[in-house]
Amino acid sequence: EAGVVQSPRYKIIEKKQPVAFWCNPISGHNTLYWYLQNLGQGPELLIRYENEEAVDDSQLPKDRFSAERLKGVDSTLKIQPAELGDSAVYLCASSFRNYNEQFFGPGTRLTVL
Amino acid sequence: QKEVEQDPGPLSVPEGAIVSLNCTYSNSAFQYFMWYRQYSRKGPELLMYTYSSGNKEDGRFTAQVDKSSKYISLFIRDSQPSDSATYLCASNNAGNMLTFGGGTRLMVKP
Repeated sequence: EAGVVQSPRYKIIEKKQPVAFWCNPISGHNTLYWYLQNLGQGPELLIRYENEEAVDDSQLPKDRFSAERLKGVDSTLKIQPAELGDSAVYLCASSFRNYNEQFFGPGTRLTVL
Repeated sequence: QKEVEQDPGPLSVPEGAIVSLNCTYSNSAFQYFMWYRQYSRKGPELLMYTYSSGNKEDGRFTAQVDKSSKYISLFIRDSQPSDSATYLCASNNAGNMLTFGGGTRLMVKP
């Protein structure tokens, strides 16, 4: 069984540029999460989807971040415009009926110059 | 103060040693406790998952939860160089989202 797939793995951009991250969850997993992980820190939830619906986006900075999950499968997280402080690893995870058993992708490491 | 706290380490041990990794938490409503392992440049991987207090064993790994003291432990027996990674503890209420600690970096030297 394929795991959670994320792309790109690495991204370097100039500040004020837009950037997008893509996630393909494990087949059949209805819940999808986007996390932010800063260096030396644990993951912090940005947004959670139940199928196509964003049910928890309280930690998503909505002035510059947006996300979508079309057809309840793949998801895209976008930042526009990026700021220096957005440099971090963006992790996607998925689960099936059990929030405690989340399967993570390898993450996208973003560097904003 | 963060709801889940871990010593960042690094913790360095010789191969074969028993490793003890610990977390404390502050939210009395937490009922579920997880340990994730994260290798460098990889996503976290679920190791152990326990509900409420008590012990749970899986091979060389034992997870222990003491709700009276709000203390979570992970023990690794016969540690191997391949166990070198960052270990993240996480907790949550039923139905709520995971709150992660900052992780403890473990190095097992051959």
